[in-house]
Amino acid sequence: EVQLVESGGGLVQPGGSLRLSCAASGFTFSSSAMSWVRQAPGKGLGWVSTISGSGGSTYYADSVKGRFTISRDNSKNTLYLQMNSLRAEDTAVYYCAKRGYYDSSGYHDGFDIWGQGTMVTVSS
Amino acid sequence: QSALTQPASVSGSPGQSITISCTGTSSDVGGYNYVSWYQQHPDKAPKLMIYDVSNRPSGVSNRFSGSKSGNTASLTISGLQAEDEADYYCSSYTSSSTWVFGGGTKLTVL
Repeated sequence: EVQLVESGGGLVQPGGSLRLSCAASGFTFSSSAMSWVRQAPGKGLGWVSTISGSGGSTYYADSVKGRFTISRDNSKNTLYLQMNSLRAEDTAVYYCAKRGYYDSSGYHDGFDIWGQGTMVTVSS
Repeated sequence: QSALTQPASVSGSPGQSITISCTGTSSDVGGYNYVSWYQQHPDKAPKLMIYDVSNRPSGVSNRFSGSKSGNTASLTISGLQAEDEADYYCSSYTSSSTWVFGGGTKLTVL
């Protein structure tokens, strides 16, 4: 079964740190670009970060650049998001999602597999 | 990284068709055929409904279709059903090698 399971969310004080994990199964993880997408309470979706299958390329939203670091361990089929200097506005459900795929006709773009999300609350 | 523009809400009766627009710029929607659409029911994870502007993943009903003209993409749902009531989001790749979502549209089936 194709599955993504996030963990690591919780309550943290402003300025604090948290590391999220996302365990993948049912597909070739090492060949798949992966992303983090967040959703503040009652708000819309916001792209946070993407990492290539090899881990050699990373991309960040301006709002998290310099504070968040995306990484992966392909030997463990696990994606990570290290979040530092957290702010109240980072409070959200964080989803990991598989980004795009290749087939015989080329590259196809879209977040095609999603986890159930993990809640991060930044508050004193 | 400005969000794509979607109407806040749309509504329709069962059996009718509705269209949700998603307006960006030549640096995102207009510049790439990498527009996707997502359905999200309350307290659930989003689900991919359309990728590459107009393609449906396996298992998605053919009542859902996508298109693009210039800087505006559209999602059309035909033969509206009660279970289509949800929030819908568009997304696009951008020239900055980032991705951007729309603000979301709440679909109400009357």
